[in-house]
Amino acid sequence: QKEVEQDPGPLSVPEGAIVSLNCTYSNSAFQYFMWYRQYSRKGPELLMYTYSSGNKEDGRFTAQVDKSSKYISLFIRDSQPSDSATYLCAMSVGTNAGKSTFGDGTTLTVKP
Amino acid sequence: DSGVTQTPKHLITATGQRVTLRCSPRSGDLSVYWYQQSLDQGLQFLIQYYNGEERAKGNILERFSAQQFPDLHSELNLSSLELGDSALYFCASSTMGGGYQETQYFGPGTRLLVL
Repeated sequence: QKEVEQDPGPLSVPEGAIVSLNCTYSNSAFQYFMWYRQYSRKGPELLMYTYSSGNKEDGRFTAQVDKSSKYISLFIRDSQPSDSATYLCAMSVGTNAGKSTFGDGTTLTVKP
Repeated sequence: DSGVTQTPKHLITATGQRVTLRCSPRSGDLSVYWYQQSLDQGLQFLIQYYNGEERAKGNILERFSAQQFPDLHSELNLSSLELGDSALYFCASSTMGGGYQETQYFGPGTRLLVL
């Protein structure tokens, strides 16, 4: 079983919908949690990062971490067609984000 | 455009061969990371170099090696290639040593196909 499991998708929603992307993990030592967005044929780009449990908001994006349940989520409000991409969760034990364990990604399509 | 360049964009080779992938980080970035992305394994961290020195190691096979040169560009060498090595190889760079709050900028990737 993988250390990080991500809802596989694909996910298709109408423009303006609220999107919820989720990951679960098994390693309780993970302390740093990140979300990346990857457009087709491009490299990933960091969207958000959080440390330990709690919420973090950035514009239309909210990252949520529940360490007791080993569950993290990314919410996208008022989704736009430009949000169509693959979203990867990632997490690490230490502060080196490079040495992260990634989920397999969820592909999101937002239809106009 | 992230500012990270990778060459070549595509590479087709045969099993048993050796290839070299090249990465130029963003201007001023000291850290370079290599990742492998395949359909069955997802995105996996391979190795990180910081200012010419190996900083962190992930799931990098012994057949693979990397280095970072004084001008901070990096090369990933893949040898004795197998069919399963077919994947997208990404390079990323960051300003310093790679703390979690430090943004990594990914290049466009090199798509390797081993036949």
